[in-house]
Amino acid sequence: DQQVKQNSPSLSVQEGRISILNCDYTNSMFDYFLWYKKYPAEGPTFLISISSIKDKNEDGRFTVFLNKSAKHLSLHIVPSQPGDSAVYFCAASGGPGDDKIIFGKGTRLHILP
Amino acid sequence: DGGITQSPKYLFRKEGQNVTLSCEQNLNHDAMYWYRQDPGQGLRLIYYSQIVNDFQKGDIAEGYSVSREKKESFPLTVTSAQKNPTAFYLCASKRDLTEAFFGQGTRLTVV
Repeated sequence: DQQVKQNSPSLSVQEGRISILNCDYTNSMFDYFLWYKKYPAEGPTFLISISSIKDKNEDGRFTVFLNKSAKHLSLHIVPSQPGDSAVYFCAASGGPGDDKIIFGKGTRLHILP
Repeated sequence: DGGITQSPKYLFRKEGQNVTLSCEQNLNHDAMYWYRQDPGQGLRLIYYSQIVNDFQKGDIAEGYSVSREKKESFPLTVTSAQKNPTAFYLCASKRDLTEAFFGQGTRLTVV
């Protein structure tokens, strides 16, 4: 049973526009959420995270929004750039004392010229 | 430089053989993880360890074994009991309340 779900396998966005990647989770005990970016044959690199006590966290072009009542989070990238083309993984953790990190299946983002 | 090192980058194994993947970190992180990536499957957790001499099974632990004798090292053994071992294996580590850092991965192929 998937605890972290990314329902869109792929997404295409025009360069300069906003990219919105979505993630849903089922475990209400999760209290720390992360987004990673991954290129083929490489390890994922950390992008941005959010604690369950917040509803928004921003870092440059990347913003993560958390809706706890809907058990939903989203990653906004604006403006989208060609180098943003990659697979994006959503992940969730149970917080202090629970180091288990569960990942979604990923969304492949294509930035179109 | 601090980081996580996985070796080897590519590994070939004959059917029926055990093989051990190395993961070393010099970040002084307590927690370490092994994930497996297959096409369309995302990252699935095999084992994780929150402290030396302790580890827990993840979602797909069958056919794998680990040890955590030192804080810096978390080797993964893929045993002959693992039915489909061909995959991309990723190791990660983290401190409490922070993000996990990943190695560059090992691609294991059964020949």
